[in-house]
Amino acid sequence: DTEVTQTPKHLVMGMTNKKSLKCEQHMGHRAMYWYKQKAKKPPELMFVYSYEKLSINESVPSRFSPECPNSSLLNLHLHALQPEDSALYLCASSQAQGVDEQFFGPGTRLTVL
Amino acid sequence: ELKVEQNPLFLSMQEGKNYTIYCNYSTTSDRLYWYRQDPGKSLESLFVLLSNGAVKQEGRLMASLDTKARLSTLHITAAVHDLSATYFCAVVAVLSYQLIWGAGTKLIIKP
Repeated sequence: DTEVTQTPKHLVMGMTNKKSLKCEQHMGHRAMYWYKQKAKKPPELMFVYSYEKLSINESVPSRFSPECPNSSLLNLHLHALQPEDSALYLCASSQAQGVDEQFFGPGTRLTVL
Repeated sequence: ELKVEQNPLFLSMQEGKNYTIYCNYSTTSDRLYWYRQDPGKSLESLFVLLSNGAVKQEGRLMASLDTKARLSTLHITAAVHDLSATYFCAVVAVLSYQLIWGAGTKLIIKP
């Protein structure tokens, strides 16, 4: 299985809502990533988990809260988002942090009203 | 600080023509990736280039890496409409191991 899956595919939420994005991989990868991508821009790294520990937090606002329950799962908890947070959120995984090819999931298209 | 520059940022070409996308980076790295992204979709890995002089080919696409010149090229041969997409190069920063991305090249191939 060489796939990274993400749910939901689309999410519309109000600024007062709490929601979660989910990501799963079964490739035995030990590094998992959250990226944010705005239209016509490259992905921006948000968080990196390596061996289930938060390795990198790229100064992301606290309204985004990552969680890695186990080596196959990665969540991104969302609370009190702003309209400018609307974007494509991509999860990726790699064998190890940084040095290996990253495989991307299909993404969650998030719209904040 | 590692910077990655792609050019051109936009390319419109006719089917059957050849063209090259360039990816320059500012500091030493020995690991470069090319990704493809279709509109509204995720990123698909195309090539992993790990050493100086590496050349990889898949169908009408060929990628190469010159670590001394800090330059990678993605060459398109006899373009077809299905290759229309945005192409990103990404370079691994040696100290942080993070991927540093180019701005992307939007390629439109007209029938």
